[in-house]
Amino acid sequence: GAVVSQHPSRVICKSGTSVKIECRSLDFQATTMFWYRQFPKKSLMLMATSNEGSKATYEQGVEKDKFLINHASLTLSTLTVTSAHPEDSSFYICSASLGQFYGYTFGSGTRLTVV
Amino acid sequence: LAKTTQPISMDSYEGQEVNITCSHNNIATNDYITWYQQFPSQGPRFIIQGYKTKVTNEVASLFIPADRKSSTLSLPRVSLSDTAVYYCLVVGGSQGNLIFGKGTKLSVKP
Repeated sequence: GAVVSQHPSRVICKSGTSVKIECRSLDFQATTMFWYRQFPKKSLMLMATSNEGSKATYEQGVEKDKFLINHASLTLSTLTVTSAHPEDSSFYICSASLGQFYGYTFGSGTRLTVV
Repeated sequence: LAKTTQPISMDSYEGQEVNITCSHNNIATNDYITWYQQFPSQGPRFIIQGYKTKVTNEVASLFIPADRKSSTLSLPRVSLSDTAVYYCLVVGGSQGNLIFGKGTKLSVKP
């Protein structure tokens, strides 16, 4: 089945630094990938839709200059949290789909802690 | 996008059948229904998906009435490891994005 690999699983960084999270579709090509963030005991919130070869589409209220998304190939999308602050600490999850009838596969998530 | 409503939490005991119902009154003709399971600090895992009537796989069944305004996820003989949050989502079109509701936190007790 479809596998989405997300790295790192856990990262701690200092305030003001940038962190890159990778999302790879291992055995399929994904023209579209999605990025979510999740706060403790809350549901997943869609941040943006990553489109291969074009600009990402951001949800309302998500700062595109803060959360840089690059989808340079059909198997890799990256999310860079720039100038991270403690309020950016969260669980970030990516997902991709093989197509409408195959469901969406999610990465294992990245726990970001900004100190 | 169709909004979904499901119970915030449910309790069950090992070996029981659990049914979680989700309302999606504004579902469109092209939308289909999908359910995910999430454990703490993990990404959601696909459980089952359907368009109408009944769908069954090795882990669950999904019942969808004719009007498609609701759906019921049925987990047969739950175990402690089924304790998780279950999300009902309605997805439209090709590779439409997934918008998560609040989910149902299922607690299975021994």
